[in-house]
Amino acid sequence: QSVLTQPPSASGTPGQRVTISCSGSSSKFGINYVYWYQQLPGTAPKLLIFRDNQRPSGVPDRFSGSKSGTSASLAISGLRSEDEADYYCAAWDDSLSGQGVFGGGTKLTVL
Amino acid sequence: EVQLLESGGGLVQPGGSLRLSCAASGFTFSGCAMSWVRQAPGKGLEWISAISGSVGNNPSTYYADSVKGRFTISRDNSGNTLYLQMSSLRADDTAFYFCAKARVPTSSKPDLDYWGRGTLVTVSS
Repeated sequence: QSVLTQPPSASGTPGQRVTISCSGSSSKFGINYVYWYQQLPGTAPKLLIFRDNQRPSGVPDRFSGSKSGTSASLAISGLRSEDEADYYCAAWDDSLSGQGVFGGGTKLTVL
Repeated sequence: EVQLLESGGGLVQPGGSLRLSCAASGFTFSGCAMSWVRQAPGKGLEWISAISGSVGNNPSTYYADSVKGRFTISRDNSGNTLYLQMSSLRADDTAFYFCAKARVPTSSKPDLDYWGRGTLVTVSS
């Protein structure tokens, strides 16, 4: 079964660029797409990135995604106070009957 | 406007059962894959189940290992409602349960563009 590992926390100052990593344990991680979600306190998650690096309409281009091998990253440039939130990566695990999986989440603090 | 409204949460004893509902509107529900994701208080997101858009009367279903054999996902396309039947509930099933809509209607992957606000399930004696 695939496990997605994220750092529990990250931080940056306004205007800075921060990256959040997501490492997959399955050899199939590199094949399947990675999705990223932002969850502000007390709200439902919001899709930020789909198919590794695509942004839904309305998501600022300050947010970008990338993937190389079994690792994916979310980058946030021009950090703003409103970016303070929890960020989750997600992917599909093709093993056995197939199931989704989320990373443990990264709490981003804007200092 | 897409809307998803979960209901059915509450307090249930260990070993008990509960059925969650998710009323959907604002999109073509019957052709769209749907998912359930939960979040224990103060914890991270956990994908638990997905169901494909109906092809005939036999949509494909998927489950996380943690709920397989205990939870059943289903849908009523005539009523635009998604369900999650939960049985043999345990304390670690305590969580907010969110239903979510697939961004690509034919995909059951965790590519979810609209989410409900969630309903809280508490498993405790």
